[in-house]
Amino acid sequence: DAKTTQPPSMDCAEGRAANLPCNHSTISGNEYVYWYRQIHSQGPQYIIHGLKNNETNEMASLIITEDRKSSTLILPHATLRDTAVYYCIVSALMNRDDKIIFGKGTRLHILP
Amino acid sequence: NAGVTQTPKFQVLKTGQSMTLQCAQDMNHNSMYWYRQDPGMGLRLIYYSASEGTTDKGEVPNGYNVSRLNKREFSLRLESAAPSQTSVYFCASSADSEYSYEQYFGPGTRLTVT
Repeated sequence: DAKTTQPPSMDCAEGRAANLPCNHSTISGNEYVYWYRQIHSQGPQYIIHGLKNNETNEMASLIITEDRKSSTLILPHATLRDTAVYYCIVSALMNRDDKIIFGKGTRLHILP
Repeated sequence: NAGVTQTPKFQVLKTGQSMTLQCAQDMNHNSMYWYRQDPGMGLRLIYYSASEGTTDKGEVPNGYNVSRLNKREFSLRLESAAPSQTSVYFCASSADSEYSYEQYFGPGTRLTVT
C-alpha cells in the first residue's frame, strides 16, 4: 500500500498558485518525500523531492511540516499545461528494499 | 540524448502469445524499472534492476520475466500473455547518486491482450 494520502482531485484557476497536500503520517526518519506528475497518456515526470527542509526548483516548491507528517507541493502560477495527476511518494534514498510505490495521486484540473 | 526509449509503442496480442518489451536509456543510469498502469490506477512496480546483472521482484511480478542485458537495456518478457496483462507498461531509470533518486520514465507501451 502507498504510504501517502492525497485528495483524489482538485481544481485551480489558471494563473493562481496550486497547493497540493499530501499526508504521510508514518514517514520514517530516512525517507524522502518525492513528487511526480503524469500528464495524460505520458510517462510520469519527476518534479521535486525533499527530506525536511523546504525545497524550490524551476517547476515547484515543496513545503514539509516540521513533524514531517505532511507536505504541500506548490505550483506558483498554474497554467493549463499543469493539468495532470500528481503523485506524492515517500521512499528511503538508496534503500533497495524500499520500492517507490505510486498511489492514485491527485488529479489537478487547471481552469481557464 | 533521447532519455528512456521503449519499443513498441502499441501491441495487440492473443491470449497465450509471447512478446518482449524493450527499454533502453542513454543517461548511464545504474537502476532500471518496469511498471504497469491499469486504467484509473497508479503505477505498480513489476521488476527492477539495481545494476547490470541483477534483478529483483516488485509488487506484481507474476507472469513476467526480465533481463538486464547491459547497463543500457532492460527488457520485459511475457511468456504467455493473458487478458489481465492488458495495461500500459512504463520503463524508468534512475542514477541513484548520493543525493538523488529521481526516476526518468519512457513514453510507455500500450498492450492489449485479447
